[in-house]
Amino acid sequence: AQSVAQPEDQVNVAEGNPLTVKCTYSVSGNPYLFWYVQYPNRGLQFLLKYITGDNLVKGSYGFEAEFNKSQTSFHLKKPSALVSDSALYFCAVSSWRDDKIIFGKGTRLHILP
Amino acid sequence: NAGVMQNPRHLVRRRGQEARLRCSPMKGHSHVYWYRQLPEEGLKFMVYLQKENIIDESGMPKERFSAEFPKEGPSILRIQQVVRGDSAAYFCASSPGQEGQPQHFGDGTRLSIL
Repeated sequence: AQSVAQPEDQVNVAEGNPLTVKCTYSVSGNPYLFWYVQYPNRGLQFLLKYITGDNLVKGSYGFEAEFNKSQTSFHLKKPSALVSDSALYFCAVSSWRDDKIIFGKGTRLHILP
Repeated sequence: NAGVMQNPRHLVRRRGQEARLRCSPMKGHSHVYWYRQLPEEGLKFMVYLQKENIIDESGMPKERFSAEFPKEGPSILRIQQVVRGDSAAYFCASSPGQEGQPQHFGDGTRLSIL
């Protein structure tokens, strides 16, 4: 069965510092990996995805994520955090065997001015 | 291009009434997913539908909840005889159903039960 884990409920980062939001996954076969962001009273917005190819994926708002097959991880990163990045972030996984996307429980990111 | 449209955005019902939540997928998307989110919690998958078919309803409560996606018109999530515990945000997502494609989400319906 597919699963995804976001080990941190909350991450605090000072504005201007690099940020990392962690995600690990478990799936049979090759994974399709996604990151979404949710702002208050809004739906989830798609940020980026990994399907195949380069392990470093670039997405919206300056975010990027690195696929690491040996560690089964797909951590979200940004070189310099903005206060406006404060939101709830969800990692998600699917595969060619099962196109249902499984979401992690979310990590709340606080960027401190 | 319109995104996923959900209405109403807010819905208030009294215990025992029925709630109907509507979702119009993005143009060209034939797959619809419904999720439930409680405050400060993640998304809980409820049901996955294609036109006129329920593909996976493993997350739906066995009673009072039903979903449909007719050939014409929006997808409907129906909750009969609502109880206080049904209060939550309900999100709809759609996708084209192709391998590796992300789901696109609406802004949700916030259901409050008095």
